[in-house]
Amino acid sequence: EIVLTQSPATLSLSPGERATLSCRASQSVGSYLAWYQQKPGQAPRLLIYDASNRAAGLPARFSGSGSGTDFTLTISSLEPEDFAVYYCQHRSNWPYTFGQGTRLEI
Amino acid sequence: QVQLVQSGAEVKKPGSSVKVSCKASGDTFSAYTFTWVRQAPGQGLEWMGRIIPMLAVANYAPKFRGRVTITADKSTSTAYMTLNSLSSEDTAVYYCAGGRISDGDSWGQGTLVTVSS
Repeated sequence: EIVLTQSPATLSLSPGERATLSCRASQSVGSYLAWYQQKPGQAPRLLIYDASNRAAGLPARFSGSGSGTDFTLTISSLEPEDFAVYYCQHRSNWPYTFGQGTRLEI
Repeated sequence: QVQLVQSGAEVKKPGSSVKVSCKASGDTFSAYTFTWVRQAPGQGLEWMGRIIPMLAVANYAPKFRGRVTITADKSTSTAYMTLNSLSSEDTAVYYCAGGRISDGDSWGQGTLVTVSS
């Protein structure tokens, strides 16, 4: 089973700042990595798929990069609505595991 | 993009089973994969398994294999997840997710399953 480790566990920033979230895989997942955003009481929302492809309608301030074992989600300039929990997930082989999440807080 | 509506909250006794449904609309059902993910209170997301309705093939996380069954009914555009031998550790919100470009393009609203004696 591939283990995804996200860092940091919590990221404290202010609106307008740049956020950089990391996801490291225990073995290569190629480019089969997605990022999700989850707000309290809501279902997760797809942000990025296949490492760097933005989901439909996603603002351009969100970007994903990486391949193999190291991936990054970048939010170029934080908006108030971006404060949430972010998860990475791979779909390289079974089971398709999630990282433990990064809480982005003000 | 597909819209997913899940069945309502359930309260179950330990040792019993639960079946959660996920009805899809707005796009071609067979073009999607359907994944089940759960989230225990205050915890992260846990991948349980996934089905490809077109092939009627399902894959499960080892942790749940033997206890979970994921099915899909193309005639009603509905995916199902059945979890057996429930314990208090299965208390969680269960989500279905539909995927066409990825595995999680769209998500249902979640179904709270509470296991309590």
